[in-house]
Amino acid sequence: DAGVTQSPTHLIKTRGQQVTLRCSPKSGHDTVSWYQQALGQGPQFIFQYYEEEERQRGNFPDRFSGHQFPNYSSELNVNALLLGDSALYLCASSLVGRVYNEQFFGPGTRLTVL
Amino acid sequence: QKEVEQNSGPLSVPEGAIASLNCTYSDRGSQSFFWYRQYSGKSPELIMSIYSNGDKEDGRFTAQLNKASQYVSLLIRDSQPSDSATYLCAVNRNSGNTPLVFGKGTRLSVIA
Repeated sequence: DAGVTQSPTHLIKTRGQQVTLRCSPKSGHDTVSWYQQALGQGPQFIFQYYEEEERQRGNFPDRFSGHQFPNYSSELNVNALLLGDSALYLCASSLVGRVYNEQFFGPGTRLTVL
Repeated sequence: QKEVEQNSGPLSVPEGAIASLNCTYSDRGSQSFFWYRQYSGKSPELIMSIYSNGDKEDGRFTAQLNKASQYVSLLIRDSQPSDSATYLCAVNRNSGNTPLVFGKGTRLSVIA
């Protein structure tokens, strides 16, 4: 049973650049949620994709955008990177229609902005 | 603002003891409650979920939920050094894929 996968594992960018992070959900799941985890903090919800549309969004600026593909995989794009965007970016997958929403995380992408 | 509060720790317990981790939440509409374990430099791993008032046991782990008090806890029996990690409490509203709201986590250290 394939778990959630993310790429790349680590990424170093400079301020003002753009970055794309990728996620493949757990086998059988159809929904992808993205979270940002700063050092010493709990994960913060960025947005969620289901049926190739953004369904819900947290308190993040429009510099953060995403996409979901027909195979349920997803991308997170961040434009005009700021130093404060340095964090662990987590992708979580789940299955819509489940009464209880268990979300399973991938290994994450560590983004460092210099 | 929906909030989840946890003591940041560190909580230090001797090997073999019971570790007790606590969490309170502000959103009375919360219906699902989760505990994730996160080792340093790794991603969160789901270890327990609970949806009804009372206790739920899974191996050495017991989750306890009291919706009236808006309180959820995790007990780890016979603590092992390998249990040393940050434990994140997360809640969400039921039905559909509502976002998880996380606390900042409690760092647990089990001393051999």
